[in-house]
Amino acid sequence: EVQLVESGGGLVQPGRSLKLSCAASGFTFSNYYMAWVRQAPKKGLEWVATISTSGSRTYYPDSVKGRFTISRDNAKSSLYLQMNSLKSEDTATYYCARQRLTGVYFDYWGQGVMVTVSS
Amino acid sequence: DIQMTQSPASLSASLGETVTIQCQASEDIYSGLAWYQQKPGKSPQLLIYGASSLQDGVPSRFSGSGSGTQYSLKISSMQTEDEGVYFCQQGLKYLTFGSGTKLEIK
Repeated sequence: EVQLVESGGGLVQPGRSLKLSCAASGFTFSNYYMAWVRQAPKKGLEWVATISTSGSRTYYPDSVKGRFTISRDNAKSSLYLQMNSLKSEDTATYYCARQRLTGVYFDYWGQGVMVTVSS
Repeated sequence: DIQMTQSPASLSASLGETVTIQCQASEDIYSGLAWYQQKPGKSPQLLIYGASSLQDGVPSRFSGSGSGTQYSLKISSMQTEDEGVYFCQQGLKYLTFGSGTKLEIK
């Protein structure tokens, strides 16, 4: 059974940093692109970052480029999101998601972890 | 960026009714579209990918169609468990989601 379990969320002050983790199991992690998607309270979904199978390629929207860094450790079947210079608008539930082998769609999602940016 | 416009924002349907949700892209996305269902307090679930392919395990009452900039999700016979919010997502250039359609039982 595919499982994605996020951790590392919490309350953080504006301008500070936080690192999220996602532990994957039930599939060959190194074969899949992985991503982070967030959802602000009562809002829609926003793609945050994607990483290639080896980690050599990463992709970000302009809203987080230069502040967030996605990375992975295939030996540990783990995905990470380093978030720096956090802003109040980064407050959201962050989901770890597996990208399908074909097409840019997400076939499995974690349960999500809440990040609150507030003083 | 490619903008995705979903309609309607909300709707209510009776049990057994056919439901259709629309999604319009700001430019041609060449069928690079997915549909997700999200129930309260849960993570999204992939229903349709490539505009019309049914994800494994998804009931056959769900179907997707469309091309170019216009796409739709159809639920052929509304069930209680179909209540939730539905999002479209384009995967052609980076990733963007529609704003969502809240579906309730009438």
